[in-house]
Amino acid sequence: GAGVSQSPSNKVTEKGKDVELRCDPISGHTALYWYRQSLGQGLEFLIYFQGNSAPDKSGLPSDRFSAERTGGSVSTLTIQRTQQEDSAVYLCASSLIENEQFFGPGTRLTVL
Amino acid sequence: GQNIDQPTEMTATEGAIVQINCTYQTSGFNGLFWYQQHAGEAPTFLSYNVLDGLEEKGRFSSFLSRSKGYSYLLLKELQMKDSASYLCAVRSRWGKLQFGAGTQVVVTP
Repeated sequence: GAGVSQSPSNKVTEKGKDVELRCDPISGHTALYWYRQSLGQGLEFLIYFQGNSAPDKSGLPSDRFSAERTGGSVSTLTIQRTQQEDSAVYLCASSLIENEQFFGPGTRLTVL
Repeated sequence: GQNIDQPTEMTATEGAIVQINCTYQTSGFNGLFWYQQHAGEAPTFLSYNVLDGLEEKGRFSSFLSRSKGYSYLLLKELQMKDSASYLCAVRSRWGKLQFGAGTQVVVTP
């Protein structure tokens, strides 16, 4: 497909475990963004990549959260020692610079 | 600080017009976006304004006044499928989007 894809679509984990979420952006999109959306809430910015570098990590809520991007393409968001408050839908978006962002379907994370 | 305000919910009947207002106070401005989000789905792009004025796109129009920190999304000839959450978002210099909490539009028969 030509859109942004994310995996897994759903993830249930136990408190304290680590999780990895994956995002495959639209081919050729240099910018990649991670957001999260808690139930009934707006989207919260987490981190932005331009190529493989992250000029803006200001939204990462704690040092348990990290993200990387390799080859200017795939990105992984890692949450260590998950907590119940991490439960949310994690959305990835990609764009050409200055253009609209296209969102993936999201990963619904549930921490028990 | 950053603050983006929009109403929580609006109800309108099929065929009517609804205007969703958004006011913002942000430290940087590089465009304002409107997205539509149906329950359980990802947001989809509706419109983009970077200069003052009205942008029209079929049944949807969006207006921006940068001096007033104000935008609105106008939905005309409402259809049942327009029932969704509408998200106002301001883009910063670096490209990240700061989202409002969203306006839930309910279209009734």
